[in-house]
Amino acid sequence: NAGVTQTPKFQVLKTGQSMTLQCAQDMNHNSMYWYRQDPGMGLRLIYYSASEGTTDKGEVPNGYNVSRLNKREFSLRLESAAPSQTSVYFCASRSPSGRSGSEQFFGPGTRLTVL
Amino acid sequence: GNSVTQMEGPVTLSEEAFLTINCTYTATGYPSLFWYVQYPGEGLQLLLKATKADDKGSNKGFEATYRKETTSFHLEKGSVQVSDSAVYFCALSGSGNTGKLIFGQGTTLQVKP
Repeated sequence: NAGVTQTPKFQVLKTGQSMTLQCAQDMNHNSMYWYRQDPGMGLRLIYYSASEGTTDKGEVPNGYNVSRLNKREFSLRLESAAPSQTSVYFCASRSPSGRSGSEQFFGPGTRLTVL
Repeated sequence: GNSVTQMEGPVTLSEEAFLTINCTYTATGYPSLFWYVQYPGEGLQLLLKATKADDKGSNKGFEATYRKETTSFHLEKGSVQVSDSAVYFCALSGSGNTGKLIFGQGTTLQVKP
């Protein structure tokens, strides 16, 4: 049971290059999320997916696209990277709500630098 | 809109000192409140949570009480250890069922031997 996995762990891009960050979870969760973490700003939601086949914008979606390929996988794509997208990216999945509330489980993160 | 404000860090304490990290929130309805911890080089882990007013979340010696009257969810620990050194995030999840989390900016805790 690996939980939430992300690849790659580190990536350096040049301005204008594209790349896809991969995320997978093996907990059979419906909801998945992409956040970015910047110094002094906490984590901000980029996109989320409530279930397979659905995606919605979060707080900072500009410059990103997502794909919920199946229940396990939720990828984040940068079509034309910009230095402002230098950040640490975290994927998360959420356990179902119950009487004790739900919990989000986070992957180890991808550290992205755009030159 | 919903928001979370945490005390600014870094917080530096000696081992066995008492810890308080303040967290206040603004939200409509009845949010759930969370504390997450991030150890160096790792992702976030849930530390504790509370889903309704006056609930107390607790884990690993940490506690926080959901205070609706003061819109606060302060994190406390009676005696910190070096291994508690990490970044602590307060977060809320709104009344809807999307599960989206709103995070505070994080507070870095450094515990010295």
